[in-house]
Amino acid sequence: GQQLNQSPQSMFIQEGEDVSMNCTSSSIFNTWLWYKQDPGEGPVLLIALYKAGELTSNGRLTAQFGITRKDSFLNISASIPSDVGIYFCAGRAMNRDDKIIFGKGTRLHILP
Amino acid sequence: GAGVSQSPRYKVAKRGQDVALRCDPISGHVSLFWYQQALGQGPEFLTYFQNEAQLDKSGLPSDRFFAERPEGSVSTLKIQRTQQEDSAVYLCASSDGGGAGNIQYFGAGTRLSVL
Repeated sequence: GQQLNQSPQSMFIQEGEDVSMNCTSSSIFNTWLWYKQDPGEGPVLLIALYKAGELTSNGRLTAQFGITRKDSFLNISASIPSDVGIYFCAGRAMNRDDKIIFGKGTRLHILP
Repeated sequence: GAGVSQSPRYKVAKRGQDVALRCDPISGHVSLFWYQQALGQGPEFLTYFQNEAQLDKSGLPSDRFFAERPEGSVSTLKIQRTQQEDSAVYLCASSDGGGAGNIQYFGAGTRLSVL
């Protein structure tokens, strides 16, 4: 079945550093989504991308929909303590409007 | 309500016991989704409703899993004869329509532990 490869699995950074994570798929997607999940909570949507090449920002977050439709990245600038959590990429394959496929997540840790 | 509500938040079951997990979607949302999230993994799709119709149940892992949404609002995910491998967080999400542009809003999940 379709799979998303998300990397890195985890990151340890200093407060104030920039963060970059990415996701690749084995097939073409028509939507890329980035979610953040805090402990004991459900995923919360950060950014949604609908067109190849689209670059979208949400505050300190920036994400892009890859030209090949098989990849996406998320950047976080000037990280702060509340950025700690698990970030998931997710996507919808062509002709499958209902199902979202999630990556395995990137766990972001900020060192004191 | 303001968001997707799931109950119970935690459920401990003995192996072989039946469980029922409830999801109250955002009022007026047409679409409802169930996902299973194993420890350290991303959510995995189980099933999808549009109103009361179950349009996709391809992710249900076995015939022990059954979901319903009889009046097109509240949904129940039932697991019969629970096994240890069923231990996971079960997430419900709702959206206000179908199509690629709709946004799914997630509940906090039910953490099921099967002993």
